[in-house]
Amino acid sequence: DAGVIQSPRHEVTEMGQEVTLRCKPISGHDYLFWYRQTMMRGLELLIYFNNNVPIDDSGMPEDRFSAKMPNASFSTLKIQPSEPRDSAVYFCASSQLGRHEQYFGPGTRLTVT
Amino acid sequence: AQSVAQPEDQVNVAEGNPLTVKCTYSVSGNPYLFWYVQYPNRGLQFLLKYITGDNLVKGSYGFEAEFNKSQTSFHLKKPSALVSDSALYFCAVRDEGNTPLVFGKGTRLSVIA
Repeated sequence: DAGVIQSPRHEVTEMGQEVTLRCKPISGHDYLFWYRQTMMRGLELLIYFNNNVPIDDSGMPEDRFSAKMPNASFSTLKIQPSEPRDSAVYFCASSQLGRHEQYFGPGTRLTVT
Repeated sequence: AQSVAQPEDQVNVAEGNPLTVKCTYSVSGNPYLFWYVQYPNRGLQFLLKYITGDNLVKGSYGFEAEFNKSQTSFHLKKPSALVSDSALYFCAVRDEGNTPLVFGKGTRLSVIA
């Protein structure tokens, strides 16, 4: 398996623009997680899905952030409009029921100017 | 609620010496414990986990961790450090339910030749 795939790897955008981050989980995994990593706040869980259904989105910072999982092999995290404080590395991870550990993608480094 | 503490932001060790990265946790019920490593510009990689059984868990790259229930600790260890072990290490915990992992703030390990 290729592991968790994220795209793009790097994104530079201007404040106010819409940003869409994409994730393909490992095939057969039931759970998908979106995290944000910054120097100041460390690793933060934004939202997670079980069988494509959002379970807990309490970590989503504000209404500008939204996430979808239309099928078992694809998820998006959208920021609209983006702000400089959204600059961070965004990770997607997936896990399989009963296996416990999560497997992380390589991340998307977002820079909002 | 679960929580994890990594008391050291930075650990420095000479190559060939043993290394320890500390982790303590708090969880209701039995803990599921994990260690992850993050190399520069990469996602988190799973190293090892404790779910049940032997308190000494062996993982990837020669790392091991010891679960100590009375001290609520799960320290990461390696008998002989390599320069290539230099990275950011995260401890994580979850309870027996299907809850997401809670990550510590990370400890930066620097192995000096």
